[in-house]
Amino acid sequence: EDQVTQSPEALRLQEGESSSLNCSYTVSGLRGLFWYRQDPGKGPEFLFTLYSAGEEKEKERLKATLTKKESFLHITAPKPEDSATYLCAVYPDSSYKLIFGSGTRLLVRP
Amino acid sequence: SAVISQKPSRDICQRGTSLTIQCQVDSQVTMMFWYRQQPGQSLTLIATANQGSEATYESGFVIDKFPISRPNLTFSTLTVSNMSPEDSSIYLCSVEFTGPLYEQYFGPGTRLTVT
Repeated sequence: EDQVTQSPEALRLQEGESSSLNCSYTVSGLRGLFWYRQDPGKGPEFLFTLYSAGEEKEKERLKATLTKKESFLHITAPKPEDSATYLCAVYPDSSYKLIFGSGTRLLVRP
Repeated sequence: SAVISQKPSRDICQRGTSLTIQCQVDSQVTMMFWYRQQPGQSLTLIATANQGSEATYESGFVIDKFPISRPNLTFSTLTVSNMSPEDSSIYLCSVEFTGPLYEQYFGPGTRLTVT
């Protein structure tokens, strides 16, 4: 069964304290892995799609990496405005729909 | 990328009534999706709406409760019928772009409260 697990559920960081969020997945075949940012009461904001192991993508303080079993979202020197829920989703090649993880709630304190 | 708008952005409705949510995209897309996000939860797919065909519903969701229209390649509606407090959620539409890259974008959501 295709499955996505995100950890930790919640993460508190001091401003400037770098860390990583994890997304572990099990799929028969991967068409793509998506990362989203979601602010309270708003729709998810697309960040990255990763397609193959070894791929990396960056956007400002965020860098996403992908292996055959998991993806990491690295946050370098975070700022309070990076506080949000980060969602990971996989797009199996056997399906037409995304499978979402439960998200990581990130709080960055000044 | 895509610019997606939803109307209304929020509403408070009485039990037993229905609400129709509109989703408009600034470019033509084949596949549109409707999701529900209950408080504190992740996203749950309600149905997939392709232009020119009936919507495909996920397990636990039925057409009588969540009728969907997809009259063209830039627009869709989701109706939440005979509402109960359990239907209080954020409803999101989403569009997919395929080709050399796979990308899926979400609208801003409709926050529904049923009293």
